[in-house]
Amino acid sequence: EPEVTQTPSHQVTQMGQEVILRCVPISNHLYFYWYRQILGQKVEFLVSFYNNEISEKSEIFDDQFSVERPDGSNFTLKIRSTKLEDSAMYFCASRKASYEQYFGPGTRLTVT
Amino acid sequence: DQQVKQNSPSLSVQEGRISILNCDYTNSMFDYFLWYKKYPAEGPTFLISISSIKDKNEDGRFTVFLNKSAKHLSLHIVPSQPGDSAVYFCAASATYTDKLIFGTGTRLQVFP
Repeated sequence: EPEVTQTPSHQVTQMGQEVILRCVPISNHLYFYWYRQILGQKVEFLVSFYNNEISEKSEIFDDQFSVERPDGSNFTLKIRSTKLEDSAMYFCASRKASYEQYFGPGTRLTVT
Repeated sequence: DQQVKQNSPSLSVQEGRISILNCDYTNSMFDYFLWYKKYPAEGPTFLISISSIKDKNEDGRFTVFLNKSAKHLSLHIVPSQPGDSAVYFCAASATYTDKLIFGTGTRLQVFP
């Protein structure tokens, strides 16, 4: 069964450094998402991406964040200058035309 | 942002019995609801969904009930199995938005 994959599983970085989180969505899916979950809190929406552009973004997704689909398979989230409060699990998700979003296993980002 | 609430942080059920997980929402524009299951250090796994035009959807041991007038949905698992032990999230979506709004989750423990 096709799955969303994410790399790395765990990323440790220093405050102020740039990080890129990578995702390979399910191959025939058209809509792509990033969510995050800070420890002990809800899963929160960050951004959605369709037809090579951002379709919606949350207040969290400020100028420090960007997304890209550099080729036909990868979907990346970049954080330009990480802050301590960016420490969280980051989940990539994708879907076809229906509402059901399928999530990857997540990348644990630790900012020190 | 408390648009989707799961008021029970945990639930303990004996194997073979029914598990009932509840979810309330406040936004009357929500028209699609989903349940996800999550194990530690993994991403949310889609379980079952329901459109607002229905009041029940069933898939094997899982049934979701929607009461629109009460803005309430529930997930029934019958019979419960030890492998069902996980955190269950309800999520909601609306046609005007592309994002899922998640509840805080209910930790289900199924004991022998």
